[in-house]
Amino acid sequence: DTAVSQTPKYLVTQMGNDKSIKCEQNLGHDTMYWYKQDSKKFLKIMFSYNNKELIINETVPNRFSPKSPDKAHLNLHINSLELGDSAVYFCASSGQKSFGLGEQYFGPGTRLTVT
Amino acid sequence: AQTVTQSQPEMSVQEAETVTLSCTYDTSESDYYLFWYKQPPSRQMILVIRQEAYKQQNATENRFSVNFQKAAKSFSLKISDSQLGDAAMYFCAYRTFQGAQKLVFGQGTRLTINP
Repeated sequence: DTAVSQTPKYLVTQMGNDKSIKCEQNLGHDTMYWYKQDSKKFLKIMFSYNNKELIINETVPNRFSPKSPDKAHLNLHINSLELGDSAVYFCASSGQKSFGLGEQYFGPGTRLTVT
Repeated sequence: AQTVTQSQPEMSVQEAETVTLSCTYDTSESDYYLFWYKQPPSRQMILVIRQEAYKQQNATENRFSVNFQKAAKSFSLKISDSQLGDAAMYFCAYRTFQGAQKLVFGQGTRLTINP
């Protein structure tokens, strides 16, 4: 059973398009995250939701909008895609301390290529 | 804001030898968590080892161990008996004990295992 899954794993699209990435976790965690890994492999937090409530919103363009329909799902919608949006996007989840040290479990990543 | 620094962009080691990856961090907090994640070419982020700052004892997971020096704000990873499957990018990460649970990552170290 996949703990954190993302769809799609690869996404190639043209500038100006709108696209979505979906994430689902079956670990029973209550916190989910979106990270962006750039071409130099640097990972940085974008958003975090706890029980469907947005708790972290880093300096991200308004074209990026996360949505959490329930605790197990966190989607990322991107409007008007730009070349600079090309990256790997990771979804992650974590639980309360009862789940361990609150370590985060990552999905397989979505490689987004904007042409 | 917390920062994490990995000063070794690349490292290489002979198979079966031992290698140490360096990580330093900056924080004003006294309680926090530290992690090492591994990212093989498959790009999956895999948790290798974790450390609670309030524990003086260094964490160990099979061939992986850390040298946690809280006063020096240093958290190095030692890999013993290196195996070809250890080849990957390794990321050091910091997580605050309370509040927003985002991971702050270092720049990563690419580890090559020479047969």
